[in-house]
Amino acid sequence: QQQVKQSPQSLIVQKGGISIINCAYENTAFDYFPWYQQFPGKGPALLIAIRPDVSEKKEGRFTISFNKSAKQFSLHIMDSQPGDSATYFCAASISLGRGSTLGRLYFGRGTQLTVWP
Amino acid sequence: SAVISQKPSRDICQRGTSLTIQCQVDSQVTMMFWYRQQPGQSLTLIATANQGSEATYESGFVIDKFPISRPNLTFSTLTVSNMSPEDSSIYLCSVEKQTLAKNIQYFGAGTRLSVL
Repeated sequence: QQQVKQSPQSLIVQKGGISIINCAYENTAFDYFPWYQQFPGKGPALLIAIRPDVSEKKEGRFTISFNKSAKQFSLHIMDSQPGDSATYFCAASISLGRGSTLGRLYFGRGTQLTVWP
Repeated sequence: SAVISQKPSRDICQRGTSLTIQCQVDSQVTMMFWYRQQPGQSLTLIATANQGSEATYESGFVIDKFPISRPNLTFSTLTVSNMSPEDSSIYLCSVEKQTLAKNIQYFGAGTRLSVL
């Protein structure tokens, strides 16, 4: 079954708007939650990641919000730009702690984001 | 970071043939992974390939169909054997590296395979 559930499948946002993508998981052993960005013809690239000991992590225009009790996490893209148009994947893994191997990643189904100019 | 080169970048193959995909990394890594990404779908792990040991396959994937080699710490191959149209997909190589006390998984650009 799908270990990580992602929504929406597609998202259209006006330039300057906020893009929000949501993910949910069931396995409470997950302790590493990355977001990957993938452009057509390219492999996924790590965008931002969070561990469950914090509720929010921000890097530039990208923010992860993490709700441990609800087993949900989301990606917020502020001031969305046409260059942000890509497919975004959330993922989760069971690592051996910070600085240790991440182990296999379980990916969501992806969200195709289109930002209109 | 890690620079991953995959070859070929794309191929069109006939049913019943086999294709070997190569993955070359610019630095030594312990853990390498092979994923499959079907059009518009998520990434599904095929197997984990650590140097010096047999690859570990995920449920639904078998060594006879997807043999993997890992001869050293910078190189791996995945073979898709006896191909059928259902094998048409993007195959991605991934490595895990430790950078500034953080572990990150990096991906190659993928091999786009079409089976006729």
